[in-house]
Amino acid sequence: QSVLTQPPSVSAAPGEKVTISCSGHRSNIGNNYVSWFQQFPGTAPKLLIFDNDKGHSGSPDRFSGSKSGTSATLDISGLQTADEADYYCAVWDSTLNVVVFGGGTRLTVL
Amino acid sequence: QLQLLESGPGLVKPSETLFLTCSVSGGSVRGDSWSWIRQTPGKGLEWIGYLYYTGRINYNPSLKTRVTISADQSKNQVSLTLNSVTAADTAVYYCARARGGQLLRLDAWGQGTLVTVSS
Repeated sequence: QSVLTQPPSVSAAPGEKVTISCSGHRSNIGNNYVSWFQQFPGTAPKLLIFDNDKGHSGSPDRFSGSKSGTSATLDISGLQTADEADYYCAVWDSTLNVVVFGGGTRLTVL
Repeated sequence: QLQLLESGPGLVKPSETLFLTCSVSGGSVRGDSWSWIRQTPGKGLEWIGYLYYTGRINYNPSLKTRVTISADQSKNQVSLTLNSVTAADTAVYYCARARGGQLLRLDAWGQGTLVTVSS
C-alpha cells in the first residue's frame, strides 16, 4: 500500500480532459515538491512535471500539474490515444526520509 | 544528449551481492546527481538512493544497511551494490539523473535492467 494514493485507473475520450489525483500527507505533499512521470509498458518512466507545476522540456503543454494542501493533480487536456500510459506521482517524505511514489494510474483513452 | 545504460548480471542467487553499473554518455557523472530506482509488479516504483554531486548520499532507510551507491569518474559510471539479496529484490533497476541536483527532477533514465534473484 503506497503512502501516496492515486486512482488505479482513469479513462476519457480523445480530445477530452482528464485529471489524475495524488493524495498524501503533510509530511510529503504538504511540504515538498511533487513530480509526475509517464510510463509506457516495457519502458522507463519519463519526467512530465517537477516542482509541482513546472513542465519538463519536451513535455507537451497539454500536461499540467498543481498542488493544494496535501494533494496534487496532473491534468491532461486534449487527450490523444498516444497518452495511454501509466502515470506516477512522486515526492520526498520528510518523516520517512525517503522518496515515495504513488501506486500509479492507468490512463485509457477510449 | 545524455544517455544512461544499466548493466548487470540478470540473475543473482539469494544471499549473494548484486552489482549494477550505469554507464553515462553525452555527459559526465562528475558534477551531476544520480538516483537508483527499482520497479516490481507488486510494489511499484521504489526509490533506492541518491548520489548528490557534492558526494552526499541518501539511501532508502529500508535498504540502507544493504546498499551502496558510488560513482567512478574514470569510467563515467554510477554503480549500485546491494548485499544479501532475496527474492524480494527481484525487480527492474533504473538509474536516472537528477538534473540540477533536484532530487525528483529525474529527467534522464536508463532503459532499466531486470534482475532476478533465484537459486
